[in-house]
Amino acid sequence: AQRVTQPEKLLSVFKGAPVELKCNYSYSGSPELFWYVQYSRQRLQLLLRHISRESIKGFTADLNKGETSFHLKKPFAQEEDSAMYYCALSNYGQNFVFGPGTRLSVLP
Amino acid sequence: GAVVSQHPSRVICKSGTSVKIECRSLDFQATTMFWYRQFPKQSLMLMATSNEGSKATYEQGVEKDKFLINHASLTLSTLTVTSAHPEDSSFYICSVPGQGAYNEQFFGPGTRLTVL
Repeated sequence: AQRVTQPEKLLSVFKGAPVELKCNYSYSGSPELFWYVQYSRQRLQLLLRHISRESIKGFTADLNKGETSFHLKKPFAQEEDSAMYYCALSNYGQNFVFGPGTRLSVLP
Repeated sequence: GAVVSQHPSRVICKSGTSVKIECRSLDFQATTMFWYRQFPKQSLMLMATSNEGSKATYEQGVEKDKFLINHASLTLSTLTVTSAHPEDSSFYICSVPGQGAYNEQFFGPGTRLTVL
């Protein structure tokens, strides 16, 4: 069965500190993995996708198939990064499974 | 990415009434749309996949007769919560799959349903 876990419900860091949001998945095939972000009172929006190996707003995420992880990282957190972050797994468009989410709070 | 709208953004209704929520893909035609439900401080849960011109595919545990889905055109899917009860109060979100090489989804702003 497909499953996405995000062990931290809440993560608080100070501005300028590095941040890592953890995501682990279970899936028998080759999954597509995404990070979505939901800022306060806004819709869910795509942050980045593993397949395009991009850096968006300073965030990166590397797929580690050995550890079945897709952790989201940023070297220097900004206050505007405070939001809810969801890791998601796609079975090539057939299913889309979200993790429980991690609320990131960046303190001044 | 796709632009997705939902209407209404917020609705309050009495117990026993039915409520219709619309999801529109504004900038391209979508043969498939997805409906999610999000309880407060919880993640999104897929309810059903809406298929244009055919029946929706419901996830396990979602009542088909309770949550009626109609995908009559390539730009519109509707979710009707029939005989709503207070436990149906939730945030309902639709999404449209991306059109490119990636299989990401683009989300609507959501509809907050409160059943009194």
